[in-house]
Amino acid sequence: QVHLQESGPGLVKPSGTLSLTCAVSGASISSSNWWTWVRQPPGKGLEWIGEIHYTGSSNYNESLESRVTISVDESKNEFSLKLSSVTAADTAVYYCARVGVQMGLPIDSWGQGTLVSISS
Amino acid sequence: EIVLTQSPATLSLSPGERATLSCRASQSFSRYLAWYQQKPGQAPRLLIYDESNRATGVPARFSGSGSGTDFTLTISSLEPEDFAIYYCQERRGNWLTFGGGTKVEIK
Repeated sequence: QVHLQESGPGLVKPSGTLSLTCAVSGASISSSNWWTWVRQPPGKGLEWIGEIHYTGSSNYNESLESRVTISVDESKNEFSLKLSSVTAADTAVYYCARVGVQMGLPIDSWGQGTLVSISS
Repeated sequence: EIVLTQSPATLSLSPGERATLSCRASQSFSRYLAWYQQKPGQAPRLLIYDESNRATGVPARFSGSGSGTDFTLTISSLEPEDFAIYYCQERRGNWLTFGGGTKVEIK
């Protein structure tokens, strides 16, 4: 059974860069799956950030694309998120997750999430 | 950009009652629609994928259906553990969109 675990600073200063890593166990990041990041501001709904395949192909939410980079490290079986020029609006619980291989590519496994606050 | 509108925002029901949750797309569905359940302090959990297929371990009381731009999640008889927030989600090519969620609360 796949397990995903987010890690990274819980507090980032405004205008800084948010950096998170997702360690994957129980599955190979070099499989046919895509790997994705989703965020959830406190008390609000889910927002898709983007996704990556181990081959390096990636897709991003257009509203965040200019500030987001998602990368993969096969040697460590992990993938990462960088979000630059952050503001208070980027305060959220950030989830890493695995995209399933069903036709509609649903998100079939999620990390527990990590709260990142943007504040000076 | 596809917009998914979920209704109602809140559904107040008693255990044992039937819950019907709606998800409407601004454009015709691709049929690659999924539903997720989220409980307080937890990550979302996949319930339904590809419009009507239950994910592994999901009880049979959960079912999904759709037609045109309207999609429905039905919980045939609410159990105490079913009171949560439910999100629909659709993928169109390289883009993924979530609905705003429906909270199912105990009446």
